[in-house]
Amino acid sequence: NAGVTQTPKFQVLKTGQSMTLQCAQDMNHNSMYWYRQDPGMGLRLIYYSASEGTTDKGEVPNGYNVSRLNKREFSLRLESAAPSQTSVYFCASSSGTSAYEQYFGPGTRLTVT
Amino acid sequence: EDQVTQSPEALRLQEGESSSLNCSYTVSGLRGLFWYRQDPGKGPEFLFTLYSAGEEKEKERLKATLTKKESFLHITAPKPEDSATYLCAVDVATNKLIFGTGTLLAVQP
Repeated sequence: NAGVTQTPKFQVLKTGQSMTLQCAQDMNHNSMYWYRQDPGMGLRLIYYSASEGTTDKGEVPNGYNVSRLNKREFSLRLESAAPSQTSVYFCASSSGTSAYEQYFGPGTRLTVT
Repeated sequence: EDQVTQSPEALRLQEGESSSLNCSYTVSGLRGLFWYRQDPGKGPEFLFTLYSAGEEKEKERLKATLTKKESFLHITAPKPEDSATYLCAVDVATNKLIFGTGTLLAVQP
């Protein structure tokens, strides 16, 4: 059981470049999430998918898009990277959407120069 | 505005020196409170869920408690391997977890 996996682990982009962060879970969870973590700030929700086929904006969605490819996979796309998107990105999954614990992946450290 | 505050920001303990971390919250409606442990360079690892005031959960040297305004993570006789950042998060609405900024715990041998 790998849990939640993310690729890549590290990435450096130039301003304006695009990239997709990949996330997969093998726990048969319905809900999946993308967060960013910045120094001095708590984890902030970017987008989430309550179930396969649905996606919704979180607290900080600007500059990002997501795709729930199937029940296992949830990707995060940066169309035109900006230095403000330098952060550590975490994917998480949970059984349900309310009061269920979330399980996190190992993270992707992204630097935009 | 919903808010979660953790204190202290950092805590240094000697091995065996028990202490508590605090998570205070002001939210419109608590559905659940979660504690996570995060090691450097890794994702948060789930520890506990608490749902109602008076509830307690234990795991090895850790015990989490919940009141109507705050939660405590008690660490009894800590070991160096307990060193990590401990995060608190509150579920206030469907799909909305509010995280605190964490307490960085260092346990020295």
